[in-house]
Amino acid sequence: DADVTQTPRNRITKTGKRIMLECSQTKGHDRMYWYRQDPGLGLRLIYYSFDVKDINKGEISDGYSVSRQAQAKFSLSLESAIPNQTALYFCATSNPPTDREQYFGPGTRLTVT
Amino acid sequence: QQQVKQSPQSLIVQKGGISIINCAYENTAFDYFPWYQQFPGKGPALLIAIRPDVSEKKEGRFTISFNKSAKQFSLHIMDSQPGDSATYFCAASPQGGSEKLVFGKGTKLTVNP
Repeated sequence: DADVTQTPRNRITKTGKRIMLECSQTKGHDRMYWYRQDPGLGLRLIYYSFDVKDINKGEISDGYSVSRQAQAKFSLSLESAIPNQTALYFCATSNPPTDREQYFGPGTRLTVT
Repeated sequence: QQQVKQSPQSLIVQKGGISIINCAYENTAFDYFPWYQQFPGKGPALLIAIRPDVSEKKEGRFTISFNKSAKQFSLHIMDSQPGDSATYFCAASPQGGSEKLVFGKGTKLTVNP
């Protein structure tokens, strides 16, 4: 089984709708991240969490919110989706300082019409 | 503000050739420089990483060269194979604190048979 899973894998929604993307991990890592990937723009950090009680904004947090329900679960919400939020969304985990590698999930392709 | 600049945006190489992707950074607090490989429909995965106390790291056909004074690092893929066709991202992370990764915009590598 995959260490980092994301649901749904694909989602089409309409402008103005609320949508939640979910991420679960079995690696036991405290740190979790949400990234957005757009063609030609690379990966940009939306939010990151050091643990359940410590959540921080990333580079592009406007229009997004997150919830860390447990060590293993980190959800990303779009309260009122807009078309320019159409993108690939990735969740990742890490376990610094011993392991600075970030382990990515398979991604969610979100389309806002 | 883009803190990690990656070039080229796309690269086409013949099988057996050498693929070279370059990155430059600005923040002297960066102390961890990974390269991630992403295949279509998958999340990025760590390929190889280097710290600034060494000038080169090699793993199989993949080599990172690091020039601290120039604030540049590059990925060399020797004997490139069609299976290496993917998008490659360089990244950098500062020591201590958030361990946030700043990604380059990516290079789409195509290795022709």
